[in-house]
Amino acid sequence: SQQGEEDPQALSIQEGENATMNCSYKTSINNLQWYRQNSGRGLVHLILIRSNEREKHSGRLRVTLDTSKKSSSLLITASRAADTASYFCANTGSNYKLTFGKGTLLTVNP
Amino acid sequence: DTAVSQTPKYLVTQMGNDKSIKCEQNLGHDTMYWYKQDSKKFLKIMFSYNNKELIINETVPNRFSPKSPDKAHLNLHINSLELGDSAVYFCASSRTSGSYNEQFFGPGTRLTVL
Repeated sequence: SQQGEEDPQALSIQEGENATMNCSYKTSINNLQWYRQNSGRGLVHLILIRSNEREKHSGRLRVTLDTSKKSSSLLITASRAADTASYFCANTGSNYKLTFGKGTLLTVNP
Repeated sequence: DTAVSQTPKYLVTQMGNDKSIKCEQNLGHDTMYWYKQDSKKFLKIMFSYNNKELIINETVPNRFSPKSPDKAHLNLHINSLELGDSAVYFCASSRTSGSYNEQFFGPGTRLTVL
């Protein structure tokens, strides 16, 4: 199974702090994607990192990928209350099926 | 101007009933998906269609039958509903079926089976 595992399962921080979430997966991948889900809403794509990339930035987001350790991390800098959501990593392997992890619930306190 | 829409948003029904959930995307995408998210927020793919052809069919009961009348629509019909079918069902679409495409999700349909 390619199912990923996010770590931690829940994270609570103060506004302005950085939030780091980790993701591990089990098999080889083509790419790894991060999605955000606000409570009661659908998932929103945040960023995609290819298997031959090691780091990628998008605004306040920084994603790293270590294929030797089969892990990825998502860093949100200068967090805001609006960043409160669940964050999921998802990977695609030899097929194009997205396999999601169990998610990290991030709470940013004002 | 909603990108991926689903109806209904909430569905409450009795065990044994048959129900359908509809999905439409106006993004011009070729590929559409159905996912099931359980009470622990675990999201699992059920089906995927590319240009109206079934390309992913995970191990789901035969009671679940997707139908794609055209590229912009992917409906999910569920027969003989069971308690365990209670979940949030998400429709999604992507430009193509390739693995480098981000997926766009609908708002979800919360199904409650009593």
